[in-house]
Amino acid sequence: AQKITQTQPGMFVQEKEAVTLDCTYDTSDQSYGLFWYKQPSSGEMIFLIYQGSYDEQNATEGRYSLNFQKARKSANLVISASQLGDSAMYFCAMREGINTDKLIFGTGTRLQVFP
Amino acid sequence: DAGVIQSPRHEVTEMGQEVTLRCKPISGHDYLFWYRQTMMRGLELLIYFNNNVPIDDSGMPEDRFSAKMPNASFSTLKIQPSEPRDSAVYFCASSTTDFNEKLFFGSGTQLSVL
Repeated sequence: AQKITQTQPGMFVQEKEAVTLDCTYDTSDQSYGLFWYKQPSSGEMIFLIYQGSYDEQNATEGRYSLNFQKARKSANLVISASQLGDSAMYFCAMREGINTDKLIFGTGTRLQVFP
Repeated sequence: DAGVIQSPRHEVTEMGQEVTLRCKPISGHDYLFWYRQTMMRGLELLIYFNNNVPIDDSGMPEDRFSAKMPNASFSTLKIQPSEPRDSAVYFCASSTTDFNEKLFFGSGTQLSVL
């Protein structure tokens, strides 16, 4: 079974609009961390935002926020005021706390921002 | 802080040759991870180390792949013999000890096996 599911292979958004990238996860651990990474066409992996399983508030980092719904096991990334430079692949990932320390990635969503 | 350093950035080799990829993690990080990225399979975890000890190598595709971490500041991923299907981007990443700590990635090695 997939640990991390990203159901949107591609998304389009107009510049200055907000966009939500979906991510659901599967774990039986109580302690885990959820991460989003951005991979532009240049190839590097850029950390965006983190949400801990015990965090009661949704994480925010500038224009990025994470809509964390623990009961539904979802951790959607919201990008506000999209910019052309946001065009990239976005990966959701999970690191479980007890069974393992490895970071498992979803298949990614390719976001295209158009003028 | 220099970040995670990988070498080479690009490697082109012929089928059957031995390939060695190198990684220097961030100083003080306890964990080191090797990932492979392809269009078909996405980002796959190959192996990871904790305090220089391999913890989980279940992602290593075949016996042709091996990884070592002789000390806290150096790791290698070796493919012998290489095959065209090994062509991919190989990332090394490191982190501190905690499930809520992010991984820092190197720039990756683009491997092409002809």
